[in-house]
Amino acid sequence: GEDVEQSLFLSVREGDSSVINCTYTDSSSTYLYWYKQEPGAGLQLLTYIFSNMDMKQDQRLTVLLNKKDKHLSLRIADTQTGDSAIYFCAESRMMNRDDKIIFGKGTRLHILP
Amino acid sequence: GAVVSQHPSRVICKSGTSVKIECRSLDFQATTMFWYRQFPKQSLMLMATSNEGSKATYEQGVEKDKFLINHASLTLSTLTVTSAHPEDSSFYICSARDSGNSPLHFGNGTRLTVT
Repeated sequence: GEDVEQSLFLSVREGDSSVINCTYTDSSSTYLYWYKQEPGAGLQLLTYIFSNMDMKQDQRLTVLLNKKDKHLSLRIADTQTGDSAIYFCAESRMMNRDDKIIFGKGTRLHILP
Repeated sequence: GAVVSQHPSRVICKSGTSVKIECRSLDFQATTMFWYRQFPKQSLMLMATSNEGSKATYEQGVEKDKFLINHASLTLSTLTVTSAHPEDSSFYICSARDSGNSPLHFGNGTRLTVT
């Protein structure tokens, strides 16, 4: 399909790891992104990975990229209540000679006490 | 890191009036800025690409006469919603990048309510 796809909801207990998955479509994408959106706010760039990388780790965040399967995941270790938000996966895609960012529908992460 | 400032954060206006939203890159120059619209519980929809010194490029289905975009300088793009109607009520978010393949940085969004 044409879309960047991700599951809409994820519930995780506080202290556990959260894994948010995403599939994208353009094998020539140069960058893949994870953004976080808290209620009523804009999007905050969490992390991004260049397409020639398999993994990127930044503190509690680990991004895994499987180019063959066009699969991207975001792992949040030791999930906290402040991690409750919507997480958007996005890919850069060349469209009509313009480099555009295409977003998934977002995964709402809910933290259980 | 790159900072994008968007104003106002919230605006309520009457039907038929026009509303201007500003998007500024604070610590970098942005030849290209992007305007998105987000409906409740949905993803971001790209409305248009704002190019400094030239006309904006609108996505299919977006009325360019209704959503006027002006990118007057390397740090400022404005979106004007003209003759607003209640169906224009939405969350509008701008973004910018400081070079060709760098990540997009977003403003905090503007919630527009048209009564």
